[in-house]
Amino acid sequence: QKEVEQNSGPLSVPEGAIASLNCTYSDRGSQSFFWYRQYSGKSPELIMSIYSNGDKEDGRFTAQLNKASQYVSLLIRDSQPSDSATYLCAVKRRGSQGNLIFGKGTKLSVKP
Amino acid sequence: EAQVTQNPRYLITVTGKKLTVTCSQNMNHEYMSWYRQDPGLGLRQIYYSMNVEVTDKGDVPEGYKVSRKEKRNFPLILESPSPNQTSLYFCASSLGGESEQYFGPGTRLTVT
Repeated sequence: QKEVEQNSGPLSVPEGAIASLNCTYSDRGSQSFFWYRQYSGKSPELIMSIYSNGDKEDGRFTAQLNKASQYVSLLIRDSQPSDSATYLCAVKRRGSQGNLIFGKGTKLSVKP
Repeated sequence: EAQVTQNPRYLITVTGKKLTVTCSQNMNHEYMSWYRQDPGLGLRQIYYSMNVEVTDKGDVPEGYKVSRKEKRNFPLILESPSPNQTSLYFCASSLGGESEQYFGPGTRLTVT
């Protein structure tokens, strides 16, 4: 089982809709979770970090963490064409101070 | 301007010719890290450093060396590059292992 798994997509949603991106991880002891956005040809940039079960909201973005089920998701409300990018889920490996494992990313396309 | 810089941005070299990719940050960050990104494999961590003189292996350290003699710099050294090290390399820094990572612009390396 891969440590961090994401559906590669592409996920296509119409403008204004909710985009739902999912990520599962294998290490039940993982504590720190991150969502990064990467535009084509650019560097990743952090959207959200989440450490506790439940929801965390920041503007149009909501991260959801369920440690019992070992998944973390990202919801994008009122999706815009500018949200079209690859979204990377990252998990800090248990017991390490800085070892981050990234999923392969989900490509999101928001159609006008 | 707060930033992570990498040099060179593009490099074509031949097998076995030692090279160094520099990384520098001006944010006084403790943590720095190197990643490589390959199609179908995603972003994978090579090495990371929690502080000066403290480095640790990520998931794909073979064939790479790093050093952290100063807080702001974290060079990536390929002693004897091989074609399988052809990749897009990113340097990143953050306040700590749990914090938002700021990525450099990337270095596209081709080894022939």
